[in-house]
Amino acid sequence: ETGVTQSPTHLIKTRGQQVTLRCSSQSGHNTVSWYQQALGQGPQFIFQYYREEENGRGNFPPRFSGLQFPNYSSELNVNALELDDSALYLCASTPGQGRNEQFFGPGTRLTVL
Amino acid sequence: RKEVEQDPGPFNVPEGATVAFNCTYSNSASQSFFWYRQDCRKEPKLLMSVYSSGNEDGRFTAQLNRASQYISLLIRDSKLSDSATYLCVVNAPIKLTFGGGTRVLVKP
Repeated sequence: ETGVTQSPTHLIKTRGQQVTLRCSSQSGHNTVSWYQQALGQGPQFIFQYYREEENGRGNFPPRFSGLQFPNYSSELNVNALELDDSALYLCASTPGQGRNEQFFGPGTRLTVL
Repeated sequence: RKEVEQDPGPFNVPEGATVAFNCTYSNSASQSFFWYRQDCRKEPKLLMSVYSSGNEDGRFTAQLNRASQYISLLIRDSKLSDSATYLCVVNAPIKLTFGGGTRVLVKP
């Protein structure tokens, strides 16, 4: 059974650009959540996708958007990047079937210059 | 007030000693509780779920107090490899709300 994978591992962008981050969920997990973790802080919930629909959203502006595909993989898109978007972006998948613990991928470290 | 609050530490612990720390949460509708461990520049990894009756996993014991809205983690016989940041996590519902983490440093 493969775990959660994310790509790329590191990314450098400049202010105003757009970025797409990718996540493949753990085998059999149909729910994917995205988190932003700034240095020295706990992860902050961005949104969750279940069966290709957004299933909940945290306190992030609309320029943060996402997709989930039929194979349960997911993308996080961020438009009009700001310096404060520099962070570790974590994807987590959930087994479902009454279990709600989440299993994280290694993250994408985004630096906005 | 933050939804989930933790003492950031660091807790400096001699190898072999016991360390315990708490976190408090504000949402009384919270349904599930977890402790995650995060090593420097790595992803959080599930350490254990926390059940109402309290639960133990080897050297780790977790407790939940719904009335006072806090959960605790106790680590016995600390190992050098226990050095990490421990994240208190509350699920209420759908999203996981993380505390800022408690840093534990186990020293020889």
